[in-house]
Amino acid sequence: QSALTQPASVSGSPGQSITISCTGTSSDVGGYNYVSWYQDHPGKAPKVIIYDVNKRPSGVSNRFSGSKSGNTASLTISGLQAEDEADYYCCSFTSSKTYVFGTGTRVTVL
Amino acid sequence: QVQLVESGGGVVQPGRSLRLSCAGSGFSFDSYAMHWVRQAPGKGLEWVADIGYNGGNVYYADSVQGRFIISRDNSKNTLYLQVNSLRLEDTAVYYCARDDRPFQTGTNFDSWGQGALVTVSS
Repeated sequence: QSALTQPASVSGSPGQSITISCTGTSSDVGGYNYVSWYQDHPGKAPKVIIYDVNKRPSGVSNRFSGSKSGNTASLTISGLQAEDEADYYCCSFTSSKTYVFGTGTRVTVL
Repeated sequence: QVQLVESGGGVVQPGRSLRLSCAGSGFSFDSYAMHWVRQAPGKGLEWVADIGYNGGNVYYADSVQGRFIISRDNSKNTLYLQVNSLRLEDTAVYYCARDDRPFQTGTNFDSWGQGALVTVSS
């Protein structure tokens, strides 16, 4: 159960778009459309912002979008805002009926 | 609204045990699978274990298999994690989280508690 691979950090200016990748294997990301993304602000509980690859929970801004190609999933944040500065984690269901998180990406708004 | 409140964290010596609890309210606790997720200081999220809505179908991460036991008491709306043979690397905030859909295997964790800190130190 190796962690999914994410870039350690991504940055962008307000209003720009950024994309975070999440690379796994055919036993997790590539094998199921069960990839979710979590926003983690310091001192707060993580919050799901994308589930089932590209679905947004009620109340989540449409500036967040998800996609997948093969063993790699992606999260795009468009119209970057200061409040988007946080850590982001992908997560996938696996063939062992367990779950695996990504290594995490720190998003910085310049 | 959905509320999850963890308790039972603290400082414990290596090799000792601890039981974490998570009290759920604001939803039909006995209809949802539940999970434990942990986060070591300054590190990323790690899925630990889950248990089906009726207490069946439990699964564990390799890192805790054989040492941790997940259970639930639906009459008390409470989830548990018995953590045994604790190691320094088990130091983390332990979150309980709810599956996103009732009566079936969910695909994400839609509600989280605030976490309980477990510190393993001699």
